[in-house]
Amino acid sequence: AQKVTQAQTEISVVEKEDVTLDCVYETRDTTYYLFWYKQPPSGELVFLIRRNSFDEQNEISGRYSWNFQKSTSSFNFTITASQVVDSAVYFCALSEEWTGNQFYFGTGTSLTVIP
Amino acid sequence: DSGVTQTPKHLITATGQRVTLRCSPRSGDLSVYWYQQSLDQGLQFLIQYYNGEERAKGNILERFSAQQFPDLHSELNLSSLELGDSALYFCASSVVSTGGSSTDTQYFGPGTRLTVL
Repeated sequence: AQKVTQAQTEISVVEKEDVTLDCVYETRDTTYYLFWYKQPPSGELVFLIRRNSFDEQNEISGRYSWNFQKSTSSFNFTITASQVVDSAVYFCALSEEWTGNQFYFGTGTSLTVIP
Repeated sequence: DSGVTQTPKHLITATGQRVTLRCSPRSGDLSVYWYQQSLDQGLQFLIQYYNGEERAKGNILERFSAQQFPDLHSELNLSSLELGDSALYFCASSVVSTGGSSTDTQYFGPGTRLTVL
């Protein structure tokens, strides 16, 4: 079974629209970490955020925000007022303490922002 | 520029061969992570070292091994290469290990593209 599910394979939005990328995870651990990464067309990987399981506060960083909800095992990522530079593949990941902090990645969501 | 360097950028080799990928973390970072990205398998975590010791192990094949040296650079050794090992291999570094601060950032190198013919 997939530990991290990113059900949206591809999303297209028009510039300035808001977009939410979904991430659902599965774990029985009480101590775990959730991550988002960005991979633009140039291919490099960029770390966006890490959240531990004891911190359910939502995070906002500029146009980016993250909604962590333990009740639904979700860690969704919203981009407000999207820009062309946001076009990338976004990966969600889970790291569990009880599996030795191994990382599990979702299959990624490819976001295209149309000018 | 993330400050993480990986060499070589590209590597083309034949099946059955052995290669070594090298990663130099950012100055001051004690953790090094290795990831593999391929079309078939997607993005996978291989292994993490913290200050010279193995900290976490993922889907790393027995034909693969890694180590982190006293100067904190790391090497990923891939042996008995198969066609399916063709992938982009990323290295990342961070100050602390996974159990550290929630704000701990991972910095990625540009990757090494391995092609096995």
